[in-house]
Amino acid sequence: DAGVTQSPTHLIKTRGQQVTLRCSPKSGHDTVSWYQQALGQGPQFIFQYYEEEERQRGNFPDRFSGHQFPNYSSELNVNALLLGDSALYLCASSLGTGGSGNQPQHFGDGTRLSIL
Amino acid sequence: GQQLNQSPQSMFIQEGEDVSMNCTSSSIFNTWLWYKQDPGEGPVLLIALYKAGELTSNGRLTAQFGTTRKDSFLNISASIPSDVGIYFCAGQLGGSQGNLIFGKGTKLSVKP
Repeated sequence: DAGVTQSPTHLIKTRGQQVTLRCSPKSGHDTVSWYQQALGQGPQFIFQYYEEEERQRGNFPDRFSGHQFPNYSSELNVNALLLGDSALYLCASSLGTGGSGNQPQHFGDGTRLSIL
Repeated sequence: GQQLNQSPQSMFIQEGEDVSMNCTSSSIFNTWLWYKQDPGEGPVLLIALYKAGELTSNGRLTAQFGTTRKDSFLNISASIPSDVGIYFCAGQLGGSQGNLIFGKGTKLSVKP
């Protein structure tokens, strides 16, 4: 039973560039959430996708966008990269319940993004 | 961004000792979760709590959902070297508010 998988594991970009990170959810899960984790901090919520739509968004600028595909996998795109975007980007998947309850989120090992 | 108050920030303990850490919030949550994160890896779910007052165990780990719904506690009994890592609490409002709000973590180090 494959867990949440993310690619790539590491990435180095320069300021102003654009990046795409990918996530495949745990088998049987249909909801994908993205988090940014700065060094020494807890993860911060970016957005959540369910049924190929952005269901909820955290306090992140429009430079951060995403997509969910019919097979439930997801992408996180960041445009016009800033030095402050350097962080571990985590994907979490869960089973959506349409608001009738919470199912725990399971995390991948993340993509370490470094901006030079 | 919004974060929970998690304490202690770090702790050193002797192998075999019991460990306690807690998390408080000014907001009420419907779900509390505890995760452990090892270096270079993502957070791994340890325990999920869904009801105020709920006490749940997972091996040597026990967690409680506070009766006010604004706090949670995690206890580790008889610590061993592999307990080393960073422990995060996370609160979740639920329903359409599916995002997790995390604490800053408790870094646990064990002296062998």
